[in-house]
Amino acid sequence: TQLLEQSPQFLSIQEGENLTVYCNSSSVFSSLQWYRQEPGEGPVLLVTVVTGGEVKKLKRLTFQFGDARKDSSLHITAAQPGDTGLYLCAGHNSGGSNYKLTFGKGTLLTVNP
Amino acid sequence: DAGITQSPRHKVTETGTPVTLRCHQTENHRYMYWYRQDPGHGLRLIHYSYGVKDTDKGEVSDGYSVSRSKTEDFLLTLESATSSQTSVYFCAIRGTDSYEQYFGPGTRLTVT
Repeated sequence: TQLLEQSPQFLSIQEGENLTVYCNSSSVFSSLQWYRQEPGEGPVLLVTVVTGGEVKKLKRLTFQFGDARKDSSLHITAAQPGDTGLYLCAGHNSGGSNYKLTFGKGTLLTVNP
Repeated sequence: DAGITQSPRHKVTETGTPVTLRCHQTENHRYMYWYRQDPGHGLRLIHYSYGVKDTDKGEVSDGYSVSRSKTEDFLLTLESATSSQTSVYFCAIRGTDSYEQYFGPGTRLTVT
């Protein structure tokens, strides 16, 4: 079983602060996705990273894929209450099935006004 | 919006009764998935389908069966519901890019 460990599990911050959440594994992934899930809804895809060392930006969110493709991070600058949600990372295991994703358990972010 | 709907959105049922959840997609995607989401466990794959009448088991398939008689519909059946199957169930499809999945709004199932 390929595991993705996310940290921290919970994060509560004030509006305007910066934060970073992490997604780590001992396995190599051919790609990694980040999703955000709001209460009562399904996860929504934010980004896919596929190349080691790749950095992608989505407004105030910066995603990085580790050089060895075993880890990833999500950095949010100047967090806003609208960023509140469960952030999930998910990956396709290198050499494994392209049809199935392995999910981390998520980081629950609360941004207080 | 990947054109995915799930029905029902909420259901309460009693232990031992059969339950069927439906996932419907409008974009003719080949791959469809059923997950359950529970606190402390994250999203876990129950079953998936790679075409009409082609399905396979995920990591938590015991107590569940699936059927896919046409491309747009993927059904998840609990033959005899148990309290441990109380959960939120999500359907997903695989997009054009092989790495990405898109999720439906979920079904909250409570087994009493």
